[in-house]
Amino acid sequence: DTAVSQTPKYLVTQMGNDKSIKCEQNLGHDTMYWYKQDSKKFLKIMFSYNNKELIINETVPNRFSPKSPDKAHLNLHINSLELGDSAVYFCASSQDTEAFFGQGTRLTVV
Amino acid sequence: KQEVTQIPAALSVPEGENLVLNCSFTDSAIYNLQWFRQDPGKGLTSLLLIQSSQREQTSGRLNASLDKSSGRSTLYIAASQPGDSATYLCAVAWGTYKYIFGTGTRLKVLA
Repeated sequence: DTAVSQTPKYLVTQMGNDKSIKCEQNLGHDTMYWYKQDSKKFLKIMFSYNNKELIINETVPNRFSPKSPDKAHLNLHINSLELGDSAVYFCASSQDTEAFFGQGTRLTVV
Repeated sequence: KQEVTQIPAALSVPEGENLVLNCSFTDSAIYNLQWFRQDPGKGLTSLLLIQSSQREQTSGRLNASLDKSSGRSTLYIAASQPGDSATYLCAVAWGTYKYIFGTGTRLKVLA
């Protein structure tokens, strides 16, 4: 029973398209995150939400719009995809302490 | 500025060796620190979590220590095995809503 699940696992799309990545956690956590792992494997926070409210937006372009319909879900919608958006995107959740990560979504923009 | 640094960037050791991975951070007022393992093409697996009030945590052959005053944490792996080969990531939380990651240590244990 996966704690933090993301879909899709792989996403290949053309420049200019709009795409969404979905994330769900079944841990009952209040806080959810999106992280981006670049080609050098560095993980950087993009957004964090607590109880469906945006807490942190780390100067991410406004082409990226997270949406949290409820505490268990945090989806990431990306408009007008660019080559530089190619990366692995990780969703995570936590409840004050330990953070749990999903398996990642590898986005390739061609 | 809150930053996390890990050294070495890469490490290659023969099987059976005990080894130490280092994580240093600016700003000692941390909330907690977490060590993760990432296998190639995979997600992050949580190894150990150290709360700011704790000095160390142990799980099997892994031991993580925390020295806030010096801004350091170490991950000790005893009797390394080829299956330990992975990238090890240190993440520091300076609040409950944000983990900042180090650049990782890529470990290879040779059989």
